[in-house]
Amino acid sequence: QSALTQPPSASGSPGQSVTISCTGTNSDVGGYNYVSWYQQHPGRAPKLMIYDVSKRPSGVPDRFSGSKSGNTASLTVSGLQADDEANYYCASYAGVTFVVFGGGTKLTVL
Amino acid sequence: QVQLQESGPGLVKPSETLSLTCTVSGGSISSFYWSWIRQPAGKGLEWIGRIYTSGTIHYNPSLKSRVTMSVDTSNKQASLKLTSVTAADTAVYYCARVPADPARYFYYMDVWGKGTTVTVSS
Repeated sequence: QSALTQPPSASGSPGQSVTISCTGTNSDVGGYNYVSWYQQHPGRAPKLMIYDVSKRPSGVPDRFSGSKSGNTASLTVSGLQADDEANYYCASYAGVTFVVFGGGTKLTVL
Repeated sequence: QVQLQESGPGLVKPSETLSLTCTVSGGSISSFYWSWIRQPAGKGLEWIGRIYTSGTIHYNPSLKSRVTMSVDTSNKQASLKLTSVTAADTAVYYCARVPADPARYFYYMDVWGKGTTVTVSS
C-alpha cells in the first residue's frame, strides 16, 4: 500500500488533456509544497517532470503542469502525444517519513 | 552532463548484505544529496534514503534498521548497504541526485541512474 493514492490508469486521445490525481494527507501533500512528479517509460529510469508542486525543470515541455488543492495534487498533460504514454508517479515530502511515493498511474494514449 | 551509474552484485543470498555503489560522472558530487530508490518488478517506487556530501543522512523509517549509506567524494561515489536481505528486497535499485542549497531544502530527484537489478535468492 503506497502512502499516496493515484488512480491505476488514465487515458486520452492524441491532442486531448488528461489529469492524474495524487491524494495524500495533511502530513504530506497537504502540509508542504514539495510535490514532485516523475515519468517512467517501461524499462527506463524515472524522469523528473514537475517539482515543488508546479515548477517544470528545464527541457520539460509546458504541456506538463502541476497543481495542488488541499491534500490532492494533480498532474495535467495537455496536447497528448504518443510518447506521453508511460507510468507517472507522484512523490511528496512527508516529515518524519521524509519522502513518500504514489503507487503510479499508467497513462495510455488511445 | 552529469550521469549516474549504479553497480554491484546482481544476486545476493538471503540474510546477507546487499552492497551497491553509485558513480557520478560529468559533474560534481559535492553540494548535493544522493538518494537511493528501489522498485520491485511491476511495482511502484520506494524511497530508501539520502546522504549529503557532508555526511547528513536521512533514512526511510521502515528500512532504517538495515540501511547504511556513505559517500566518497574523492572517488565521486555514493554507496548503499542493506543488511539481512530477504526476497522482498528484490528490486531495481536507483541512485538519484537531489539539489541542495543553504537557503532551503529540496525533496525531488532531478537526475537518475539507469538502475541495477538485485535479486535475493539462494
